[in-house]
Amino acid sequence: DAEITQSPRHKITETGRQVTLACHQTWNHNNMFWYRQDLGHGLRLIHYSYGVQDTNKGEVSDGYSVSRSNTEDLPLTLESAASSQTSVYFCASSAGQGRSYEQYFGPGTRLTVT
Amino acid sequence: GQNIDQPTEMTATEGAIVQINCTYQTSGFNGLFWYQQHAGEAPTFLSYNVLDGLEEKGRFSSFLSRSKGYSYLLLKELQMKDSASYLCAVTSQVGYSTLTFGKGTMLLVSP
Repeated sequence: DAEITQSPRHKITETGRQVTLACHQTWNHNNMFWYRQDLGHGLRLIHYSYGVQDTNKGEVSDGYSVSRSNTEDLPLTLESAASSQTSVYFCASSAGQGRSYEQYFGPGTRLTVT
Repeated sequence: GQNIDQPTEMTATEGAIVQINCTYQTSGFNGLFWYQQHAGEAPTFLSYNVLDGLEEKGRFSSFLSRSKGYSYLLLKELQMKDSASYLCAVTSQVGYSTLTFGKGTMLLVSP
């Protein structure tokens, strides 16, 4: 069965360190997204990609970067982790047309920056 | 810009019916999703409305009025397992796939 996975599921890091969160999907979807979810804010879009070599900034992209070298993966990098980036991070993918705007979410990564 | 409003919390009793409202203001509108999210888990798809009217799927129904910028999710015969957060999300540009989410409505179902 097709799926979307994230790793690690939990991560504790120190302020200033570079951190990369992995996202891998086997749906063969063109579109991939990264969100963060915080109490009081809901899901907020960080970066997204519509295909290989395509990346776009979302609502809260400062301090984050992504790259898309193949269809299956969209890693999210925190260049220099800050305590404000403590959050739950969700990756999602979609096929991208009509009803296929539906996004399938990964299980999430809980990141703590100390 | 986009603005999506939904109540923060709601409570209901097992077996009852509950309606969760969502109002939105967007610069262009394509469709509206409802997702369910249990605590500590990923959001999962419930419904998608692009045309005005009611979409029914088992115990869950979703309604859309494009002219009023309004949607609701109707949950019937509530069960304890329906205790979750319900997220309203809109797609705002035809041909694009980004979703803008509301902050979610936490529903607590009591016995």
